[in-house]
Amino acid sequence: DGGITQSPKYLFRKEGQNVTLSCEQNLNHDAMYWYRQDPGQGLRLIYYSQIVNDFQKGDIAEGYSVSREKKESFPLTVTSAQKNPTAFYLCASSIYSGTSVETQYFGPGTRLLVL
Amino acid sequence: KQEVTQIPAALSVPEGENLVLNCSFTDSAIYNLQWFRQDPGKGLTSLLLIQSSQREQTSGRLNASLDKSSGRSTLYIAASQPGDSATYLCALRFYNAGNMLTFGGGTRLMVKP
Repeated sequence: DGGITQSPKYLFRKEGQNVTLSCEQNLNHDAMYWYRQDPGQGLRLIYYSQIVNDFQKGDIAEGYSVSREKKESFPLTVTSAQKNPTAFYLCASSIYSGTSVETQYFGPGTRLLVL
Repeated sequence: KQEVTQIPAALSVPEGENLVLNCSFTDSAIYNLQWFRQDPGKGLTSLLLIQSSQREQTSGRLNASLDKSSGRSTLYIAASQPGDSATYLCALRFYNAGNMLTFGGGTRLMVKP
């Protein structure tokens, strides 16, 4: 089955600790995205990548970092600089194009909690 | 800055009722608009995608409309069922935002048996 997997489902972070959230897709999509969702709110874009070895900041990139060494993988690191990391994190992927209408497909999410 | 607003934030209806969810946006220069469904603690599932040149899309009991001139979209759910209970999010792809989506805050729907 093709799809997007995220792990872990729940993640606990201690003060001052960096943690990494995994996102893998086998849809052969070029573009991948990381979103943050706070309770009762919509999604906000953290980072996105249109091709391997390239990524761009979204609206709320401060305190986060990413890498895109493989087409299938787009891990997100929540650094100690992110002072309010408790949220639900969603990864998505899509075919990349300039003007066409491909939809984004979402993973099941990772809930990050601070101890 | 483009904004996407969904009102109401929460809605509770009895089973069988027809209902309309609203999405408004401030910039009509869009490629497309999507409606997503999100179950508690889960990812998003795409329901309907309306291209900029289209006025509506239908899938089963769902009908989504798009009026760019007024900056509005509606998601109509016919004969609602308890299984429709979820959060519904609209998202737009604006011209000057590449492949990025801008999301509304969502409407949390509860359909009571």
